[in-house]
Amino acid sequence: GAGVSQSPSNKVTEKGKDVELRCDPISGHTALYWYRQSLGQGLEFLIYFQGNSAPDKSGLPSDRFSAERTGGSVSTLTIQRTQQEDSAVYLCASTTSGGSVGQFFGPGTRLTVL
Amino acid sequence: QQQVKQSPQSLIVQKGGISIINCAYENTAFDYFPWYQQFPGKGPALLIAIRPDVSEKKEGRFTISFNKSAKQFSLHIMDSQPGDSATYFCAASASGGYNKLIFGAGTRLAVHP
Repeated sequence: GAGVSQSPSNKVTEKGKDVELRCDPISGHTALYWYRQSLGQGLEFLIYFQGNSAPDKSGLPSDRFSAERTGGSVSTLTIQRTQQEDSAVYLCASTTSGGSVGQFFGPGTRLTVL
Repeated sequence: QQQVKQSPQSLIVQKGGISIINCAYENTAFDYFPWYQQFPGKGPALLIAIRPDVSEKKEGRFTISFNKSAKQFSLHIMDSQPGDSATYFCAASASGGYNKLIFGAGTRLAVHP
């Protein structure tokens, strides 16, 4: 597709369940980023991938959060044993090697933990 | 030192007026400063970006002014239109935009007709 796509667009889950969020970056973009947007914390960085490796995982809030990227393309963000404070919009972005064109964001996945 | 401070939190401007949003940073390693526009229910959209080797960049009605010594940068929206009503985020990054973005808290702009 022309832009970054994310699925699902909305996810409602019960506390304690695991969830998987998916990101398809712009074709040819080598770098992929996950951010979280919540009312109290604004837009915060979670993790970034260069190819299939993650040089910076510093924003992952706990060991319940993990992410992987396969084939240098699709990425999944997994949250285990979800808590109510995990409720937020999870945004994915991608950019080319060097980042000179800027980071382009997808529409996000709105996660609600009941 | 990683923070980016953005003001004002909200802004109301009349149609045709100038909207001005300001940001300040501390980390001198930052070398890429983008602005994003976000409409409700959408992801942030890259609007315009600047690097510290220039003091101003203009694209259409949008201008970034950059003051390296003061570690401040601002977004000016000329001839503001109701369609510009959105939330605007400044951000900063090291390594020319390839590194993680550190975002300001956002400014909710309302342009009244």
